Formats: sequence, structure tokens, C-alpha cells
Amino acid sequence: KAGVTQTPRYLIKTRGQQVTLSCSPISGHRSVSWYQQTPGQGLQFLFEYFSETQRNKGNFPGRFSGRQFSNSRSEMNVSTLELGDSALYLCASSATGDSTDTQYFGPGTRLTVL
Amino acid sequence: GIQVEQSPPDLILQEGANSTLRCNFSDSVNNLQWFHQNPWGQLINLFYIPSGTKQNGRLSATTVATERYSLLYISSSQTTDSGVYFCAVEHPPGGTSYGKLTFGQGTILTVHP
Repeated sequence: KAGVTQTPRYLIKTRGQQVTLSCSPISGHRSVSWYQQTPGQGLQFLFEYFSETQRNKGNFPGRFSGRQFSNSRSEMNVSTLELGDSALYLCASSATGDSTDTQYFGPGTRLTVL
Repeated sequence: GIQVEQSPPDLILQEGANSTLRCNFSDSVNNLQWFHQNPWGQLINLFYIPSGTKQNGRLSATTVATERYSLLYISSSQTTDSGVYFCAVEHPPGGTSYGKLTFGQGTILTVHP
């Protein structure tokens, strides 16, 4: 079974631009979560989607948004990029998103904002 | 929210040594996972262990949920064990944070040959 895939793997943007990142979960998984990893803040939860519905959201500004499609693929969008948005963005999938589920992470998208 | 603390923050070992990593959490959780992040950033699930003890090769983990801590044991360490080890707890259902994983700050492990 193929793992979680994320595209693109690397991205360089300038301040003020917007960016869209994509995540394809493991086949059959319906829950997708997004995380931001920075040296200063560590790994922080962004949001979780299940069956096209956002179930949970972390403490991030409204510039960060996401969506999930009927095939469970998910995208996240960051508008009006700031230098502090430079980070590794990780997505994770699980079958149901229940607390008994193991989450499987993708390789991440490394975003650099200049 | 739930606080997760890991210790030690850094650990340097010679190949073949054993080590214990600790994860303390501040409240009841439904799920605890240990992850290894390799130098390329890939997070790999090691254990899903809300309670009890599990073993997988040279790695084992124990979670004592009533005392709110978990331990990850690495025996006969190898250079490929280097990386960052995270524990993450999942908030229980019913609250606004259901489905959210809260990570500790990690333990950076370096194994020298």
C-alpha cells in the first residue's frame, strides 16, 4: 500500500504571495491532519479533515485554510505569506481519525518564504 | 490544553549503548504515539501505546497512563537510530481538541560509531 504523499516537496515563495500544498492519504484513509514544524515552535497542529469536513482546528490565523476532496485528498492554503511561515508542513492520514487510530505521516513540504 | 514534556532534550551515545527516553503528559489521553523523525524530516510511527508495554526489535515502550508518563527504550543503539524522537498524545473524544495530536519538543539522539 502506498504511503502518504505530499507535493511539492520544496517550495520557495516571497512575502505576500500565497501557496497551496497537497496531500494524498493512504488509500482507504478518510482522515487527514496537517501540522507545521518550525525550530522555535516544534510540531503544531493546524487542522484535521474527515469526509470533507473540518473537524478540528489549531491556533493559527485565518490565513491558513484547508479543504478535503471526496477522494480524501487534502490541500492547505496559506495566503499573504510571512517570513514566519517558513516551515516543514506535514500531513498525516488515518483510517477514521479516531483516537485508537495510528497516524501515518507524509514526507512533508518544506516551504521557504523570502 | 495538554502539556507534553520530553527528556532529555539531547542525548549522545556510542554505538551499542542503551538509552531511555521519557515523555510526561499533563492530563488523561486516549492515545500516545512515539515517532522517529529521520534527518530528511520523515516522521515514522514507532509505537501506538496508550497503555502497557510493547516491543519491536531493539525498541520497546511502556506507558503508565495512571501516572501520565511513557518511556521509550532503545537497546544496542546503532548510528541509524540517530534523529529526533517525539512522543505525541491525542486528545480524548468529546472535547474541542478531539483528533488533535499534541507533540512534545522531542529528544535529539546522536549515536556515534
